[in-house]
Amino acid sequence: DVKVTQSSRYLVKRTGEKVFLECVQDMDHENMFWYRQDPGLGLRLIYFSYDVKMKEKGDIPEGYSVSREKKERFSLILESASTNQTSMYLCASSFGIQFFGPGTRLTVL
Amino acid sequence: GQQVMQIPQYQHVQEGEDFTTYCNSSTTLSNIQWYKQRPGGHPVFLIQLVKSGEVKKQKRLTFQFGEAKKNSSLHITATQTTDVGTYFCAGYSGGSNYKLTFGKGTLLTVNP
Repeated sequence: DVKVTQSSRYLVKRTGEKVFLECVQDMDHENMFWYRQDPGLGLRLIYFSYDVKMKEKGDIPEGYSVSREKKERFSLILESASTNQTSMYLCASSFGIQFFGPGTRLTVL
Repeated sequence: GQQVMQIPQYQHVQEGEDFTTYCNSSTTLSNIQWYKQRPGGHPVFLIQLVKSGEVKKQKRLTFQFGEAKKNSSLHITATQTTDVGTYFCAGYSGGSNYKLTFGKGTLLTVNP
């Protein structure tokens, strides 16, 4: 059974904190993605990676960075969290069809 | 850039009624995918359509891909409460093998 896991289901952080969201997949997929999901805005792509150490900006990369040191792991980093980054964050891995993790609901106070 | 528009944004039906959501792309798609997200859950892949004019069925769900490969629809016959959720379409345009562009989704609620 394919699996994408995310490090936390719920996370509460304070403004200005550095936040790491981690995603691990066990399907040996080359492509991995980070989305944020907000009511009425659908799924918005933050960053994606098509190989180890390779990354590309999505539609809303501002305020975020990513790291992919190993094929199975893709991290999303909020360098200095702000309240407008309160959201649901979804990781996905893909060979064409996307498999999503359960999501991390991040609240920035 | 590529845009994928999906309508309606919300749809409330009585159990047993039919439901349709429509998806339109600003560019020609190489394929289109449909996902379902249950309340509190994450998107789960339903189906992929590749050929112009393709029609696929999954039990009460019928998926169509337009002749011009720029639009698609999902039709549910005789909705059930288990159909509740948000349905997303998503497509790859010719220029990218990586970036899937999602519509904003249609939230379906079903009154028992």
